[in-house]
Amino acid sequence: ETGVTQSPTHLIKTRGQQVTLRCSSQSGHNTVSWYQQALGQGPQFIFQYYREEENGRGNFPPRFSGLQFPNYSSELNVNALELDDSALYLCASSYPTQGIGGGGYTFGSGTRLTVV
Amino acid sequence: AQTVTQSQPEMSVQEAETVTLSCTYDTSESDYYLFWYKQPPSRQMILVIRQEAYKQQNATENRFSVNFQKAAKSFSLKISDSQLGDAAMYFCAYRGSNTGNQFYFGTGTSLTVIP
Repeated sequence: ETGVTQSPTHLIKTRGQQVTLRCSSQSGHNTVSWYQQALGQGPQFIFQYYREEENGRGNFPPRFSGLQFPNYSSELNVNALELDDSALYLCASSYPTQGIGGGGYTFGSGTRLTVV
Repeated sequence: AQTVTQSQPEMSVQEAETVTLSCTYDTSESDYYLFWYKQPPSRQMILVIRQEAYKQQNATENRFSVNFQKAAKSFSLKISDSQLGDAAMYFCAYRGSNTGNQFYFGTGTSLTVIP
């Protein structure tokens, strides 16, 4: 299977709730990153996982957490949702050697999260 | 901290004409990569072109080429023979060898192609 698949495509949650977003990467892609893209902005780095361990984090609070599984899938969990968490969430995966230069990353089409 | 600036929120071009999108960046790293990504309404970020900072030669991919000015920290994208399918948001992005686990993106330029 090729490409990166994210689910769900759209989601509406209430402030204070918790949400889990999912990403299924290409086989062999053991590096996955998550980005938050607010409306009218460029994507902002949340964190990266390599071989199921977090190996980099952007300026996001601990209520943003993640998991990566051996089957090349991953999750982004957000607790205590706030209105400002409304955004498009993108995941991107790569082989680690390709990722060094950045060009080997494949992005998914994202999950549009709306917090009301 | 690395920053990427795109000063043109919107651009338009006539079909078959040429358009240039601007990008500047700030970094203290000496080894890094620069990218242009296209984001159509499907929302998926698609790599358009990549430039390694150590290469003096400007990258070219078919109708897409860059003007990389390392001293000026400028990285513009030229689209030749514009097509209707080129209409999208274009993001300039930076990735450093020392901060290599993340992309830094600009705020994007919305490109409209006029038939």
